[in-house]
Amino acid sequence: GENVEQHPSTLSVQEGDSAVIKCTYSDSASNYFPWYKQELGKRPQLIIDIRSNVGEKKDQRIAVTLNKTAKHFSLHITETQPEDSAVYFCAASRMDSSYKLIFGSGTRLLVRP
Amino acid sequence: GAVVSQHPSRVICKSGTSVKIECRSLDFQATTMFWYRQFPKQSLMLMATSNEGSKATYEQGVEKDKFLINHASLTLSTLTVTSAHPEDSSFYICSARGASGHGYTFGSGTRLTVV
Repeated sequence: GENVEQHPSTLSVQEGDSAVIKCTYSDSASNYFPWYKQELGKRPQLIIDIRSNVGEKKDQRIAVTLNKTAKHFSLHITETQPEDSAVYFCAASRMDSSYKLIFGSGTRLLVRP
Repeated sequence: GAVVSQHPSRVICKSGTSVKIECRSLDFQATTMFWYRQFPKQSLMLMATSNEGSKATYEQGVEKDKFLINHASLTLSTLTVTSAHPEDSSFYICSARGASGHGYTFGSGTRLTVV
């Protein structure tokens, strides 16, 4: 089955700096890669996603890149703000009949004012 | 947008009792429901996948007789934790997917504490 690894587990940056979180996946058939932001005790919130037919997607300060050959994808947050502090999860899914979404281990991002 | 309502949000139960958690899709038909468990400071671990009208498929290591999943309609799925023990205390969260492929819609989660 799919296995998703995520690094780093914790990341501390100064406000205004960029943050990068990286994930690798094992199932070459996976073709949907969302990123979620989760605050304590809340549901994961989708912040951006990418499908395997594109290599990069951007939404304001957030961007995701995908390298299908290497089976890794990354989240880039620019001009970080204190409210970006949260736990971020990457995930991978194979768009077949099961549509299982497998999560990475999470990254705790702290943006220092 | 798509909404999944999950209840209860918090529940405390005694060891040995059973607890039922409900997830309802409010404005779409949830053909597939995923149930996750999340321990403190850990990731969301997939427990099982259920398709409407079919038996759930459980992930390796998840006891199907302990975590009963019912998905009898396109708008309702339930997870029953039977004979709960303190080690079952966790955050349980559902995620629904419709036939139109709109993505994964998460419930708000249930914090279960077994005392």
